[in-house]
Amino acid sequence: AQTVTQSQPEMSVQEAETVTLSCTYDTSESDYYLFWYKQPPSRQMILVIRQEAYKQQNATENRFSVNFQKAAKSFSLKISDSQLGDAAMYFCAYKRGNQFYFGTGTSLTVIP
Amino acid sequence: DTGVSQNPRHKITKRGQNVTFRCDPISEHNRLYWYRQTLGQGPEFLTYFQNEAQLEKSRLLSDRFSAERPKGSFSTLEIQRTEQGDSAMYLCASSRDTAEAFFGQGTRLTVV
Repeated sequence: AQTVTQSQPEMSVQEAETVTLSCTYDTSESDYYLFWYKQPPSRQMILVIRQEAYKQQNATENRFSVNFQKAAKSFSLKISDSQLGDAAMYFCAYKRGNQFYFGTGTSLTVIP
Repeated sequence: DTGVSQNPRHKITKRGQNVTFRCDPISEHNRLYWYRQTLGQGPEFLTYFQNEAQLEKSRLLSDRFSAERPKGSFSTLEIQRTEQGDSAMYLCASSRDTAEAFFGQGTRLTVV
């Protein structure tokens, strides 16, 4: 079974600083996708970044980047220059075939 | 493109009643997913459609749950004889042959 673990239920960061959210996953597959989704208080899940397992290069989207360690089955999200609007619940997700498997989430607070 | 739309946003029902939720995916998205999210947890997969065909169902989807996607457009999720344990946020997502899915704002169900 595929499982996704987010070991940090809550994190906080000062505005303009950098924060890293951790995620590990368990799989025996070699071909899959990994995602970080953001869920603000309005509750709509928003895609932040995606990573294909076959790509060695870490994905980057503006202030968001990942550290993908395939052998270690680790997929952390780094948010640089944190903004107040980054405050939300962040979910790490693994996708194989047609199913997404989500972690339990990390609640990020941004301190002005 | 107005995104994935879900109705109603909130539903309060008495135990034992039937409820139906609707999801309108992004235009021309051929894949549609239903997820359930309880407080403090990540979304859990319920079912998946490709066009009008329901290709995968989770064991979480008891026989009280049924989902349809007539003509491969909008989808409905019906829960019969609701129980208090059905109280959750029901999320719909869609995609078009791509890895990532785009989520709606969800329908929050409260069973009293």
